[in-house]
Amino acid sequence: QKEVEQNSGPLSVPEGAIASLNCTYSDRVSQSFFWYRQYSGKSPELIMSIYSNGDKEDGRFTAQLNKASQYVSLLIRDSQPSDSATYLCAVDYGGSQGNLIFGKGTKLSVKP
Amino acid sequence: EPEVTQTPSHQVTQMGQEVILRCVPISNHLYFYWYRQILGQKVEFLVSFYNNEISEKSEIFDDQFSVERPDGSNFTLKIRSTKLEDSAMYFCASSDGGEGEKLFFGSGTQLSVL
Repeated sequence: QKEVEQNSGPLSVPEGAIASLNCTYSDRVSQSFFWYRQYSGKSPELIMSIYSNGDKEDGRFTAQLNKASQYVSLLIRDSQPSDSATYLCAVDYGGSQGNLIFGKGTKLSVKP
Repeated sequence: EPEVTQTPSHQVTQMGQEVILRCVPISNHLYFYWYRQILGQKVEFLVSFYNNEISEKSEIFDDQFSVERPDGSNFTLKIRSTKLEDSAMYFCASSDGGEGEKLFFGSGTQLSVL
């Protein structure tokens, strides 16, 4: 059974702090990893993708991948109240194009 | 910015009725998907569609479900005989098949089966 695990939270951070979100996955064949943001009642919105070990930065977001540990993380610097949402980790296990396995998500709350 | 559009936004139906959920993917995308999310649960893959045929389907996508691309723009999900447990938010997504299969999701159809 291919699994993607996330701490469901809620994770509460003050405005301006760094939020750190973590994800582990069960199958070593995975090649592509994604972070989606989902506001309550809305659809997932892609914010980061990462395919190789190391860090990938995009604005205030940094994704980190460690395939040996089967671990993906997302750092949000200078967190804003508008970042308050559920963050979904998604993993491509090498099935057909676009068959992603999602974690249940971590709810982030940024307090002003 | 191009987006995936879904209609209707809400659909209420009686158990046993047929429903069709509609999607217009991003115009230059080649791969189309349906996912669903039961309230409070994970987003789950249902089916992928490419070159006018199903590429892969999950265990959820049983004989009650079907997909169709009836013309050059629409992509539909049909549930033949709805069950209570089909109540969920259904998301259509599309991708251009480029690096890493980045999916773009529509705003969803909230299906309620009574």
